[in-house]
Amino acid sequence: EPEVTQTPSHQVTQMGQEVILRCVPISNHLYFYWYRQILGQKVEFLVSFYNNEISEKSEIFDDQFSVERPDGSNFTLKIRSTKLEDSAMYFCASRGLGYTFGSGTRLTVV
Amino acid sequence: AQSVTQLGSHVSVSEGALVLLRCNYSSSVPPYLFWYVQYPNQGLQLLLKYTSAATLVKGINGFEAEFKKSETSFHLTKPSAHMSDAAEYFCAVSDQGAQKLVFGQGTRLTINP
Repeated sequence: EPEVTQTPSHQVTQMGQEVILRCVPISNHLYFYWYRQILGQKVEFLVSFYNNEISEKSEIFDDQFSVERPDGSNFTLKIRSTKLEDSAMYFCASRGLGYTFGSGTRLTVV
Repeated sequence: AQSVTQLGSHVSVSEGALVLLRCNYSSSVPPYLFWYVQYPNQGLQLLLKYTSAATLVKGINGFEAEFKKSETSFHLTKPSAHMSDAAEYFCAVSDQGAQKLVFGQGTRLTINP
């Protein structure tokens, strides 16, 4: 069964550093998403991406965040200058007929 | 705006007992409704979804949910709990045109032997 692959599974970074979270969506899916889940809280929508541009973003997705599909297979989320409150599990998803989520990247900002 | 409320952040049942996880939604348009399960250190796995067809939806692992428009509910049930059902369960809503999912807070299900 096709999977959405996320790397790394766990990343620790210092406050103020840039991080890039990587995702390989399912190859024939056209819609891509990032969600995050702060420990103990609900899963929150960050951004959706279609046809090489952002189609919707939440209030969380401010200027510190960006997404890119650099090579037609990878889908990345960049946080330019991480804050302590960015510590969370970040999920990538792609959608064809239905959603498929990756296993997530746990980001810890220290 | 859409929202989801899951009643009970923790539910504990005995093995073999009925599982009932509650979900109420708010949506100004006909919704699509979903239940996801998250096992420790894993991603979100779709259990079942309602997309305006039959109101009683059957999913994987013996789970089912019933869409009740009058009650704005989409509760998840399983007749007989198994130890392997222990996990976090999330209800989610989207409208039929939107792409994003709006999740509830989640319910942690514990199964007692």
